[in-house]
Amino acid sequence: SAVISQKPSRDICQRGTSLTIQCQVDSQVTMMFWYRQQPGQSLTLIATANQGSEATYESGFVIDKFPISRPNLTFSTLTVSNMSPEDSSIYLCSVSDRGTGANVLTFGAGSRLTVL
Amino acid sequence: SQQGEEDPQALSIQEGENATMNCSYKTSINNLQWYRQNSGRGLVHLILIRSNEREKHSGRLRVTLDTSKKSSSLLITASRAADTASYFCATPTTGANSKLTFGKGITLSVRP
Repeated sequence: SAVISQKPSRDICQRGTSLTIQCQVDSQVTMMFWYRQQPGQSLTLIATANQGSEATYESGFVIDKFPISRPNLTFSTLTVSNMSPEDSSIYLCSVSDRGTGANVLTFGAGSRLTVL
Repeated sequence: SQQGEEDPQALSIQEGENATMNCSYKTSINNLQWYRQNSGRGLVHLILIRSNEREKHSGRLRVTLDTSKKSSSLLITASRAADTASYFCATPTTGANSKLTFGKGITLSVRP
């Protein structure tokens, strides 16, 4: 399965600032998925990032708040814009392991953001 | 909304005991997956069971699937302190752009 490097692993941010999370995959993948995990909660899909096209956002998430870049088949970034304490979460990127014939995900280690 | 709902929400057992975690889901599925998350880190895929399978084993893991009841269970035998983690069931949506939907998770604590 793919190996994903995600950074930063954690950060403490001030209200109103923006932070970009980077996700590097060691192989070419068609789709990358960005999830948010609020404290003590499950994972919620933010968006699906395809190379060469606009990301597809899930209900409740908008591009202005969570702009995503996908410049090539091995890299993606998620920006959390104009942060508020409610954005304090773990953000996870993931890719699908199509070799299983099913949608099995491999995850990065996550970026734990704390907004003060 | 969450597709999977696990129970119990938290489980504490002694090392060496077995841990059973349950997951219920709402819609028809092609497969059901279980993931583990250690200390708020990234999730790790544990096992996948397809809709035409009833039971599957992988090492100390045993997963069952009852599509008539829309439920699955994950059994960890002879638990170890290192099994302490959160466990999530996940189901893929159908269609070309399949996405995984995760349950709320179960926090397992294994006491040494």
